[in-house]
Amino acid sequence: EDQVTQSPEALRLQEGESSSLNCSYTVSGLRGLFWYRQDPGKGPEFLFTLYSAGEEKEKERLKATLTKKESFLHITAPKPEDSATYLCAVRRYNTDKLIFGTGTRLQVFP
Amino acid sequence: DSGVTQTPKHLITATGQRVTLRCSPRSGDLSVYWYQQSLDQGLQFLIQYYNGEERAKGNILERFSAQQFPDLHSELNLSSLELGDSALYFCASSLPGGPLGNSPLHFGNGTRLTVT
Repeated sequence: EDQVTQSPEALRLQEGESSSLNCSYTVSGLRGLFWYRQDPGKGPEFLFTLYSAGEEKEKERLKATLTKKESFLHITAPKPEDSATYLCAVRRYNTDKLIFGTGTRLQVFP
Repeated sequence: DSGVTQTPKHLITATGQRVTLRCSPRSGDLSVYWYQQSLDQGLQFLIQYYNGEERAKGNILERFSAQQFPDLHSELNLSSLELGDSALYFCASSLPGGPLGNSPLHFGNGTRLTVT
């Protein structure tokens, strides 16, 4: 059965303190791995798609990487506005739906 | 703004009642997905429609049903509501898939359903 596990569940960082979020996945035939950001009371907002092991994508202070078993979301010098829940999802071949992990709740303090 | 519109934003109703949630996808998107998000279970896939036809089904209860209309908007109907149905219900849309397509889902801001 396809499964996505994110860790840690929650992370508290000081402003400027870099860290990484982990997404481990088990899926038969990975078609894509997706990262989303979700703010309280809002829908998930798309960040990145990664397609194959070794791929990296960057956006401002965020960098996503992918291996055959997991993905990392690296946050460099975070700011309070980066506080949100970060969700990882996978899509397997022959389907369109995304299977989500339960997310990492990130809080960045000034 | 994702371009996906969901109404209403909030819904409070009693057990045993029936409600309808509405979703308008982004312009050009043919696929609509419904997800349920509760505190303890994260985002759970319910059902997908593609250009009016049911494409995939997840853990959707028999008391729940959905449809996609010719103008591509979608409705999720929840009946015989129970306390445990209280959750956030999200609609998402995406471009057509196919062998070369791998477009992300774009989510609306959800409908918060409270069953009392």
